Amino acid sequence: GAGVSQTPSNKVTEKGKYVELRCDPISGHTALYWYRQSLGQGPEFLIYFQGTGAADDSGLPNDRFFAVRPEGSVSTLKIQRTERGDSAVYLCASRVPGTGSDNEQFFGPGTRLTVL
Amino acid sequence: GQSLEQPSEVTAVEGAIVQINCTYQTSGFYGLSWYQQHDGGAPTFLSYNALDGLEETGRFSSFLSRSDSYGYLLLQELQMKDSASYFCAVGGSQGNLIFGKGTKLSVKP
Repeated sequence: GAGVSQTPSNKVTEKGKYVELRCDPISGHTALYWYRQSLGQGPEFLIYFQGTGAADDSGLPNDRFFAVRPEGSVSTLKIQRTERGDSAVYLCASRVPGTGSDNEQFFGPGTRLTVL
Repeated sequence: GQSLEQPSEVTAVEGAIVQINCTYQTSGFYGLSWYQQHDGGAPTFLSYNALDGLEETGRFSSFLSRSDSYGYLLLQELQMKDSASYFCAVGGSQGNLIFGKGTKLSVKP
């Protein structure tokens, strides 16, 4: 079946603007994760959804970052008042807890965000 | 806190064997995983170790020693397509992953 999809693939915005990044997980995957990856670094955990609720948002860097998953499938990561330091690739991953290898997550291709 | 250490770069030739080491410090341990990421691509799952010992999946094997907080990924019969970044990651209590900075593997002909 289809994998995790993310839109847009690239987003260029100006400092101070608001952006929304979308993730469409694999159908039936109840767990959804957002990560941020800067150049030369590993992905950094941002937030975890189990169903519709954010089970762990401890990785969100500050209150400019917010994410929702209103129907338990598609998720949107929202960044307010963007800063140049927000430039990174934002990755989404999904899985079905309790199936497969415990640490196996399925990643999307990411959204490359550039803040000018 | 939690941290993982792995070499930043490794170079090897086609057909050779390469080992990428990973040491970790975690407040709780929920398994060690390895992911592969080609330039511009998505991370893809390679292997997972919850218990000590060796796990083998085709040309790739992964080892874990919980007492030493150490693991490695072994790649055999290297191919050009194995040129990529390899990340070790430990699982968090909520199933989230904490990644190392990655090892860039270059396979030369």
